[in-house]
Amino acid sequence: AQSVTQLGSHVSVSEGALVLLRCNYSSSVPPYLFWYVQYPNQGLQLLLKYTSAATLVKGINGFEAEFKKSETSFHLTKPSAHMSDAAEYFCAVSGMGGGSYIPTFGRGTSLIVHP
Amino acid sequence: SAVISQKPSRDICQRGTSLTIQCQVDSQVTMMFWYRQQPGQSLTLIATANQGSEATYESGFVIDKFPISRPNLTFSTLTVSNMSPEDSSIYLCSVVWDINTGELFFGEGSRLTVL
Repeated sequence: AQSVTQLGSHVSVSEGALVLLRCNYSSSVPPYLFWYVQYPNQGLQLLLKYTSAATLVKGINGFEAEFKKSETSFHLTKPSAHMSDAAEYFCAVSGMGGGSYIPTFGRGTSLIVHP
Repeated sequence: SAVISQKPSRDICQRGTSLTIQCQVDSQVTMMFWYRQQPGQSLTLIATANQGSEATYESGFVIDKFPISRPNLTFSTLTVSNMSPEDSSIYLCSVVWDINTGELFFGEGSRLTVL
């Protein structure tokens, strides 16, 4: 079984400030982890993914996430927020080996960026 | 990458009617999924669209309400039947890009409002 918890349905930051979106997961097997972004009136697109290589993963648009097994976390960060980062962000988990390859998604976190 | 086109992008429908959503992929793919995204909630998997056989539905979703076709490896349709206001959602077509990790590509989504 696998599940994802995203803390905070909304996160509000000022332009130029640090972005931190939290994701905790549970999985009975080693996980694959993903962050997807959904801009207004669009589908989801992949930001970055963890697939058991480096624990610090860099993605598009300056985002990165760190896999911490001891904390079962995969938080998403960006050093400096841009107005264009305003979107819905989804964390997802799927299972390696005998786990389900069909990802389970979190509830999403809406990032609001103030000028 | 895969380019996924969904039609319609949005629609307003009357209670009791049915609407068919089309999903066209620019390359042959094995696994296609249909998701529902209700306001403020996570993505919920409706079913796996299987080419040449009946779709595999998740718990809580039935073929009579959400019939799915998959005539070939690049095309699928989802019908939302006998709609009620509770069916107002975004419906997303997705394809499995990497079967080993569960990485998905998504269409732009079809935004349905049922009056």
